[in-house]
Amino acid sequence: DADVTQTPRNRITKTGKRIMLECSQTKGHDRMYWYRQDPGLGLRLIYYSFDVKDINKGEISDGYSVSRQAQAKFSLSLESAIPNQTALYFCATSDLGGDSSPGREETQYFGPGTRLLVL
Amino acid sequence: SQQGEEDPQALSIQEGENATMNCSYKTSINNLQWYRQNSGRGLVHLILIRSNEREKHSGRLRVTLDTSKKSSSLLITASRAADTASYFCATDDRGSTLGRLYFGRGTQLTVWP
Repeated sequence: DADVTQTPRNRITKTGKRIMLECSQTKGHDRMYWYRQDPGLGLRLIYYSFDVKDINKGEISDGYSVSRQAQAKFSLSLESAIPNQTALYFCATSDLGGDSSPGREETQYFGPGTRLLVL
Repeated sequence: SQQGEEDPQALSIQEGENATMNCSYKTSINNLQWYRQNSGRGLVHLILIRSNEREKHSGRLRVTLDTSKKSSSLLITASRAADTASYFCATDDRGSTLGRLYFGRGTQLTVWP
């Protein structure tokens, strides 16, 4: 079974609709992230959460909101979808354990992605 | 703006040849990582190199890091058609928020049989 899952895998919606993308993980990681990927632009961070009570904006948070319902679940919402939010969306997790000293390592584990088309 | 920038944007080689991709970044880092992405799929971590390391190997992968030039290279030796994918470098930022990674735009590698 996949450690990081995303639902739905594909979604077509109309401008103005509210939609939610969901991410679940069984890795037991504290940290979760939402990225979007556009052709030629690489990955851009939307929101990230370092634990259930911690939510932080990334580079491109406008038009998005998130909810960290539990350690294992992190949802991304588009309040009112617009066509330029058409992209591939990825959830990722990481865990630094209890070590926050300099030189710590950080590896992220990605879900399979959600392909979103806003018409 | 993104921290890492890969070069070249696209690389096309024959099976058996070596593939070299480069990454440049802007700020001081604790480590640099390389990820691979098959078309339309999630990224998969390949290798991590710490700022106090200069070279690291993993199977057919060889990564170098030059912190004075703020650059890294990923070498894939004896490439195979199955290596066809996009490759991304990712860095943290020693002076910024702990735990965030900054990804480049990627190098699209095509290996022809």
